[in-house]
This record gives sequence, structure tokens and C-alpha cells, in this order.
Amino acid sequence: AQSVTQLDSQVPVFEEAPVELRCNYSSSVSVYLFWYVQYPNQGLQLLLKYLSGSTLVKGINGFEAEFNKSQTSFHLRKPSVHISDTAEYFCAVSVPFTDKLIFGTGTRLQVFP
Amino acid sequence: DAGITQSPRHKVTETGTPVTLRCHQTENHRYMYWYRQDPGHGLRLIHYSYGVKDTDKGEVSDGYSVSRSKTEDFLLTLESATSSQTSVYFCAIGAGPSGLNTGELFFGEGSRLTVL
Repeated sequence: AQSVTQLDSQVPVFEEAPVELRCNYSSSVSVYLFWYVQYPNQGLQLLLKYLSGSTLVKGINGFEAEFNKSQTSFHLRKPSVHISDTAEYFCAVSVPFTDKLIFGTGTRLQVFP
Repeated sequence: DAGITQSPRHKVTETGTPVTLRCHQTENHRYMYWYRQDPGHGLRLIHYSYGVKDTDKGEVSDGYSVSRSKTEDFLLTLESATSSQTSVYFCAIGAGPSGLNTGELFFGEGSRLTVL
């Protein structure tokens, strides 16, 4: 079975500072990896995804993530955050050719002026 | 944006009453999912459907039932609501586990249910 661990439930950061949101996964088979973002009172939307190929994945709004197979990690980064990045971020994993997406418990990013 | 509509968006009900949440899609996607979101738990899968009249249980299915009589509609029913079912419910759709599908899902805006 697959599982996802988001190591930080909350990450406070000042505007224009860099940020890293951590995600580790567990799986005995190859997986696809995702980051979703949820703005207040909204549904989730896809930020970026890793399927194969380059381990550095770029997404929307200046976010990027790096797949590290040896450390089973998929950390999300942004070099300079904005107030508008305040949201909850979910890491998720799926196994190719299966029909389920497994989510982590989420990390709440709070950006302060 | 994916065409997903959830209704109602907000509902307050009393313990023991039945509740039905509706998810409607205009994307003709084969797969539809119901998740619940609770603080500290992230999103947990309740039930999903892989076609008309084809459904399966997720990790937190107790107390919930679903039905899918048309491709575009997926209903979630709480036969007798309890306070532990107070949550935000999200519907999601996906193309399914075909060779080209990644498992990416598209989400509705959520239905907030309060059971008193």
C-alpha cells in the first residue's frame, strides 16, 4: 500500500522569503506524485505533477518540486512567496494504472507581510 | 476549469436525518469520487465510481452510500446523519487508470455539512 507523509502541518513565512514544504511517500512500486493547492473556501487544484523523466518539475505560480527516489521525497519549493500563496498544500501519490489518489494530511502555508 | 458542480454547498441538519449530496459533471469523465476533508486528516476517500452503476468503497465508507445512475451524476447519501459526519465533502472526477491517465483529479468546490 502507498502512503504520504507531510512533515509540517503549518509553515509560517514572511513575504518574499523562500519556502519548502516537505513530502515523503512510501511505496513498493513506481508512483506518480502530485502537489495540489487549496485556497480558502475553494476546492483543490493541481499545482504540479511528476510522472517520469526530469526529477525537477515546474508548476504554476512559480512553484517547483524535486523528485528524489532514494529519499522517497517530493518536496515543494518557491524561491520567493507572496501573500497570495497563503493556502493549504496537499501532496498526493497514485500508482500507474490504478484508480486511486492517496493524499497527505496537508500543510498550511501562512505568508505574513 | 473542469465542469463540476456540487449541491448543496452548505447544509445544516440534525442527527438521525437523511442527507444527500449531489455531484454533477459536464466532462464525461468515467471516474467520480467523494472525499471528506477534516482538520488533521487531509482528504479521505469515501466512495468512488468507475462507471454507471459501478461503485466501490474507499477508506471511510461506513455510514455512507452512493449511487450513479447517469455518467454525469454521483450522489452521496448519509442514511442517518451523525455528528461525526460533520465535514466538508468534495467531489472529484478523473479520466481513470488508462495507459495515458496519470490519476490527476479535478475537484468541485465542496459541500459543507454540519450535523447538530
